[in-house]
Amino acid sequence: QQQVKQSPQSLIVQKGGIPIINCAYENTAFDYFPWYQQFPGKGPALLIAIRPDVSEKKEGRFTISFNKSAKQFSLHIMDSQPGDSATYFCAAIGVDTGNQFYFGTGTSLTVIP
Amino acid sequence: DAGVTQSPTHLIKTRGQHVTLRCSPISGHKSVSWYQQVLGQGPQFIFQYYEKEERGRGNFPDRFSARQFPNYSSELNVNALLLGDSALYLCASSWGARADTQYFGPGTRLTVL
Repeated sequence: QQQVKQSPQSLIVQKGGIPIINCAYENTAFDYFPWYQQFPGKGPALLIAIRPDVSEKKEGRFTISFNKSAKQFSLHIMDSQPGDSATYFCAAIGVDTGNQFYFGTGTSLTVIP
Repeated sequence: DAGVTQSPTHLIKTRGQHVTLRCSPISGHKSVSWYQQVLGQGPQFIFQYYEKEERGRGNFPDRFSARQFPNYSSELNVNALLLGDSALYLCASSWGARADTQYFGPGTRLTVL
């Protein structure tokens, strides 16, 4: 059973566009939600993370929106650049998950120049 | 400061063999987690170690084992390799017992023939 469901599987946007990647979860004990960026042949790199006590967090061009009641969170990339082309993963961890992170299945983003 | 390092970078084994993968965490980090990432999927949690003790275990068979050394480096061992064990094995380090802010290494690409 997929604990964190991520969509879309792939996304193509023009340079300057705002790609949005969505994740949904069921376990209300999740209390930390990071996003990772992964380039081919590399390990995931932590981009930004949020806790359920806030509805939005911004770091540079990356924004997380969090909807606790809907159990959904999303990543927005402002003014996207070709260098943002990568695979993005959402993840979640909680007090009852035994220190286990659950990852989404990933979104392959392509930003066209 | 050096990031998380993993060795070897690539490895080719045959079915039934044993493999040992190594990880050195970021200096000052006491927690190491191991993940398996199959091509096109998100990372799957295998183990987490903190202060040389196992603090989390994912849904993997007993053929998978790990340990953490006094210098906080870690080894992942896989016995009786199967074709399905072919994957990118990622190590992540974090400071505390709950690995919220974790940093990934580049991974070890294991191919089982």
